[in-house]
Amino acid sequence: GQSLEQPSEVTAVEGAIVQINCTYQTSGFYGLSWYQQHDGGAPTFLSYNGLDGLEETGRFSSFLSRSDSYGYLLLQELQMKDSASYFCAVRDRSSNYQLIWGAGTKLIIKP
Amino acid sequence: EAGVTQFPSHSVIEKGQTVTLRCDPISGHDNLYWYRRVMGKEIKFLLHFVKESKQDESGMPNNRFLAERTGGTYSTLKVQPAELEDSGVYFCASSRQGVGAEAFFGQGTRLTVV
Repeated sequence: GQSLEQPSEVTAVEGAIVQINCTYQTSGFYGLSWYQQHDGGAPTFLSYNGLDGLEETGRFSSFLSRSDSYGYLLLQELQMKDSASYFCAVRDRSSNYQLIWGAGTKLIIKP
Repeated sequence: EAGVTQFPSHSVIEKGQTVTLRCDPISGHDNLYWYRRVMGKEIKFLLHFVKESKQDESGMPNNRFLAERTGGTYSTLKVQPAELEDSGVYFCASSRQGVGAEAFFGQGTRLTVV
């Protein structure tokens, strides 16, 4: 079957760095995306990894290792506004390239 | 450029009633997706339109759900008759052509069936 696993909740301190991991099991992996969702809001796209390695966009970076079926989202210089849920989602060939979603990680930031 | 808009933002209906959700994608986006998130669980794919055609409806839970996309523009998702387990947040997203194209989401419709 197809599945993604990510921690349900992560707590960090303002100004710190946090890493949210995602492991996946799919039959036709194509790429890994990360989305951010604030309470009651729409998921917003953060990053996409189609190849192994690190993609950096400002304070956010995302990493992919296809051989390990693993990726992570790295958030640096945490700000209170980064408190949100973060979803990893895999685009899968065997599912018509649809996004298959993890359950989300709630990031709690303390001052 | 206007984003993806969904209507209504909230809907509370009784079991057995009918509800129709609407999604207006970003202009020019051929791809339109419907997703659902049941409380505390992962976002689940429902179906995918390319223009007015259903590309993939493998995620539709049962025949009580009917989606249409008139003329390849806005889309509606009708639930008839609604059941308690249909409660959740229904998201619509749109993207340009291309497999890796970024998907832009609407704010969602929170459906509560009582």
